[in-house]
Amino acid sequence: EPEVTQTPSHQVTQMGQEVILRCVPISNHLYFYWYRQILGQKVEFLVSFYNNEISEKSEIFDDQFSVERPDGSNFTLKIRSTKLEDSAMYFCASSWGTSRLYEQYFGPGTRLTVT
Amino acid sequence: AQKVTQAQTEISVVEKEDVTLDCVYETRDTTYYLFWYKQPPSGELVFLIRRNSFDEQNEISGRYSWNFQKSTSSFNFTITASQVVDSAVYFCALSEATQGGSEKLVFGKGTKLTVNP
Repeated sequence: EPEVTQTPSHQVTQMGQEVILRCVPISNHLYFYWYRQILGQKVEFLVSFYNNEISEKSEIFDDQFSVERPDGSNFTLKIRSTKLEDSAMYFCASSWGTSRLYEQYFGPGTRLTVT
Repeated sequence: AQKVTQAQTEISVVEKEDVTLDCVYETRDTTYYLFWYKQPPSGELVFLIRRNSFDEQNEISGRYSWNFQKSTSSFNFTITASQVVDSAVYFCALSEATQGGSEKLVFGKGTKLTVNP
């Protein structure tokens, strides 16, 4: 069964450093998402991406964040200058269409630790 | 704005007991989808069910069942004869349309279920 993959599974970085989290969505999916979960808290929407542009972003997704689909398979989330409060699990998801018709498939997550 | 409330923060049961996880939602949409996800200790999100707002039939899948009541805006999840492997955090979620035409999921805070042997 096709699945969303994410690398790395765990990333440790120092405050102020740039990180790139990588995701490979399911191959024929058109909509891509990033969600964040701070330890022990709920999962929160960050951004959705369709047709090579951002469809929607949350208040969390400020200028420090950016997303890109550099080629036909990868979908990346970049944090330019990490802060301690960016420590969280980051989930990538993809769907063929909008989730009212099609389920969002989640990847296994990347745990980001900022020290 | 959409909102999902899972009032039970933690539940602890003994194996073989039945347990119900509550979910109450708020939305102004007439059409919406509700979801349940399981998050085991390993951290991934495991999709359990998606329910269309037009379909109020209860659903059963093995030991899992879901009770959708539009009149009370609730979408409760029951595990029958719980097992230790059911121990996880369970999230209820609601789809919300975005201005860009896509959807996003709005999650509740989750209920941590511990099933003791």
